[in-house]
Amino acid sequence: DAGVTQSPTHLIKTRGQQVTLRCSPISGHKSVSWYQQVLGQGPQFIFQYYEKEERGRGNFPDRFSARQFPNYSSELNVNALLLGDSALYLCASSPTLSNYGYTFGSGTRLTVV
Amino acid sequence: QKEVEQNSGPLSVPEGAIASLNCTYSDRGSQSFFWYRQYSGKSPELIMSIYSNGDKEDGRFTAQLNKASQYVSLLIRDSQPSDSATYLCAVRPNTGNQFYFGTGTSLTVIP
Repeated sequence: DAGVTQSPTHLIKTRGQQVTLRCSPISGHKSVSWYQQVLGQGPQFIFQYYEKEERGRGNFPDRFSARQFPNYSSELNVNALLLGDSALYLCASSPTLSNYGYTFGSGTRLTVV
Repeated sequence: QKEVEQNSGPLSVPEGAIASLNCTYSDRGSQSFFWYRQYSGKSPELIMSIYSNGDKEDGRFTAQLNKASQYVSLLIRDSQPSDSATYLCAVRPNTGNQFYFGTGTSLTVIP
């Protein structure tokens, strides 16, 4: 079975640009969460979606938005990129909203120059 | 006060020794606790979950939870060079669906 797939793997953008990151969860998993991991830090929660509805939002500005599609895949959008948005963006898949641990994708490394 | 705190290390142990990694958390009502391993340049990989007080063993790994002390630990027995990685502690609080992660402890196992 395929794991959590994320695309693209690497991305370089210029300040002020917009970016869209994509994630496909494990087959049968209905919950997708997005995390940002800055170098040397632990992952920080951005969003969680379950059954196409937003179920949680972390302390990130409105420049960050996301959505989940009927096939449970998800997109994370970031507008007006800042240098500080440079990070590894992780998509996490889980079967439900219960206490299962996440399975992370390989991540998208975003560099803003 | 951070939600989850870990000693960032680095922690170095000789091959074959026991590595002990520690984590404290602030939300006393937290119910779910996880340890993730992250190799340099890779994404985190779930290695242990624990939900009730006491010890949980899985192969060379043992997770220990003490809710009264708000303390979670991970013991790695017979440490191998392949265990060299950053270990992240994650806690799901009593409310909300997000996990809080610590900053991770860097472990180096010396051959």
